[in-house]
Amino acid sequence: KNQVEQSPQSLIILEGKNCTLQCNYTVSPFSNLRWYKQDTGRGPVSLTIMTFSENTKSNGRYTATLDADTKQSSLHITASQLSDSASYICVVSDRGSTLGRLYFGRGTQLTVWP
Amino acid sequence: EADIYQTPRYLVIGTGKKITLECSQTMGHDKMYWYQQDPGMELHLIHYSYGVNSTEKGDLSSESTVSRIRTEHFPLTLESARPSHTSQYLCASSEAPDQKNTGELFFGEGSRLTVL
Repeated sequence: KNQVEQSPQSLIILEGKNCTLQCNYTVSPFSNLRWYKQDTGRGPVSLTIMTFSENTKSNGRYTATLDADTKQSSLHITASQLSDSASYICVVSDRGSTLGRLYFGRGTQLTVWP
Repeated sequence: EADIYQTPRYLVIGTGKKITLECSQTMGHDKMYWYQQDPGMELHLIHYSYGVNSTEKGDLSSESTVSRIRTEHFPLTLESARPSHTSQYLCASSEAPDQKNTGELFFGEGSRLTVL
C-alpha cells in the first residue's frame, strides 16, 4: 500500500519555464518530508526537507511547500534548465519509531526541452 | 557530494551465478540500507543495518543476504541469481536522526543488475 502519491507521473516543459510537482501523503504520524532529485543512472540526492512547522523552504530555483493539514507538498521549479531533467521523489518519514520509517513516492519524471 | 560508493555499476550475468554488490561509505554513518528500484516504481527497502553485526530484512522480501562486519562496508549477496532479480540496487547511509539531523539518506550511484 503506497501512502505517498505524486503527480504528475511525467512532465515535459520548455527550458526557462516554471513547473510545480505535487505530493500527497497519508502517512501518520508525520515527522518530515524530503524531496530528492534523481538523475538518470544516479542515486537520489536530497533537495530540501520540510518539517511539521515549516510552510515553505527554498533551495536556489527549487521551492518546496508543505500543508500539514491537508497533507500535501509541492515542489516548484523556477526558470527550468536542461539539467533539471530528472526524477523527483517525495519521501515522508513517520515518527512511529525512534528510527522513523520512510515512505517513498514513485516520482515525477521531468523532462526539460531546449 | 556524498562519499558512498557502489561497485559494480553494471553487471550482466547468467542464471544461477553468485553475485556480490559492494557498498562502502566514508562518512562514519551507523545506518546503512539497500533499496531495490524498478522503472516507474518507488524504492523498496530490502535490507538495513544499524551498525556492525546488525542486519535486518526490509519491507520487500528478497532472496539476497547482507553482512556488516565493518562500519563502512555493507555488501549484498545473491547466492543464485535469477531473471526476476534483474533490477537497480541502491545503497544508502544516514546518521541516526536527532534534533539536529533528520536522517537524510546519502545514496550511492546504484548497481544495475541484469540476469539472463
